[in-house]
Amino acid sequence: DARVTQTPRHKVTEMGQEVTMRCQPILGHNTVFWYRQTMMQGLELLAYFRNRAPLDDSGMPKDRFSAEMPDATLATLKIQPSEPRDSAVYFCASGLAGFRNQPQHFGDGTRLSIL
Amino acid sequence: DQQVKQNSPSLSVQEGRISILNCDYTNSMFDYFLWYKKYPAEGPTFLISISSIKDKNEDGRFTVFLNKSAKHLSLHIVPSQPGDSAVYFCAASALGNAGGTSYGKLTFGQGTILTVHP
Repeated sequence: DARVTQTPRHKVTEMGQEVTMRCQPILGHNTVFWYRQTMMQGLELLAYFRNRAPLDDSGMPKDRFSAEMPDATLATLKIQPSEPRDSAVYFCASGLAGFRNQPQHFGDGTRLSIL
Repeated sequence: DQQVKQNSPSLSVQEGRISILNCDYTNSMFDYFLWYKKYPAEGPTFLISISSIKDKNEDGRFTVFLNKSAKHLSLHIVPSQPGDSAVYFCAASALGNAGGTSYGKLTFGQGTILTVHP
């Protein structure tokens, strides 16, 4: 069963440190999404890639967050410098654009704690 | 601006009874709606979807109803089972860039915690 893989599953670090989260989308999927889940906001979309090109990153704080897809098998989300308010669970999802009834598949998330 | 709203943070139901989870949306460009289920420490998993050309879609114990005029959808689970206890997210998407959305992009509600008691 194909899965989206996220690493690390848990990350605890001090304020000011750089954090990098990685995602391996399902092979053949051409869209990748980064979401953040918090108690207050639910699931917020941070960034969205199609065919490795960024389409929408309006949900992402640009001064400290960056998202990239170095190749079709890897998406990264970086925070530098990290702040306590960044503590949340970050999910990656992948899907097939153009196939309307194909839902996005989510990874199990990276639980990030910034002290 | 919360375009997809799940106004009930939690719902408690007895095993065997019906669970009804509700979702409201404000963006009239949304034309495809999904429900995801999420267990603790796992990612959301797709449950069921409905296109705006339909008003009902059924899959086993799960049925989604769509009322476009009211901009409201609901998920019915019959009969409810303890294993259904999870967080349920409603999500919506639209074609094109109207309303600030783009193809394939999902807007999620805040989730409803469903607890099914044995």
